[in-house]
Amino acid sequence: SQQGEEDPQALSIQEGENATMNCSYKTSINNLQWYRQNSGRGLVHLILIRSNEREKHSGRLRVTLDTSKKSSSLLITASRAADTASYFCATDGGYKYIFGTGTRLKVLA
Amino acid sequence: EPEVTQTPSHQVTQMGQEVILRCVPISNHLYFYWYRQILGQKVEFLVSFYNNEISEKSEIFDDQFSVERPDGSNFTLKIRSTKLEDSAMYFCASRGDRWNTEAFFGQGTRLTVV
Repeated sequence: SQQGEEDPQALSIQEGENATMNCSYKTSINNLQWYRQNSGRGLVHLILIRSNEREKHSGRLRVTLDTSKKSSSLLITASRAADTASYFCATDGGYKYIFGTGTRLKVLA
Repeated sequence: EPEVTQTPSHQVTQMGQEVILRCVPISNHLYFYWYRQILGQKVEFLVSFYNNEISEKSEIFDDQFSVERPDGSNFTLKIRSTKLEDSAMYFCASRGDRWNTEAFFGQGTRLTVV
């Protein structure tokens, strides 16, 4: 798998349900960040989790990081139609971020 | 809230022409990046820049590309002779320091080479 690979590639849920997206990576990292991208738009920073952190919360977002498994997950609770977007993880291992392939989330009203 | 701004939002250019994409990073940020995203594909790293020099560049960033910070606020990406395959969304990003800080991205410039 590539550095920063998300699964599932696409996810469709009903409004109010929770959405979980996973990211796997290969090399050691300093931190991992999650971004949201609405169709054709810019990348919006959601949350950063450091390599020595295991879990972090921000509003309806919960991110976990397991460095032993080289994986992270993003949970969006009580999803809304406005959460419809692509979500990317980006690993920071040096002078660059490496983005994953993304998960396309669709929240149905 | 401070933000990264990019201009233009959309540029159409003829194959072989030179283009300059402009970015104004967040004031007092020190690290700058360019990424690109071909339609429907993943976000790809092009180059990182710190202290007026390139820190790292990808294989994509060949001799056709160059970056510059001509003054204290702008950060530019130049493509010397555009090809059809350069058509993509180009994103600029900046962050405050080297370790464990968020990188903020601009809204992107959509480059269309015809």
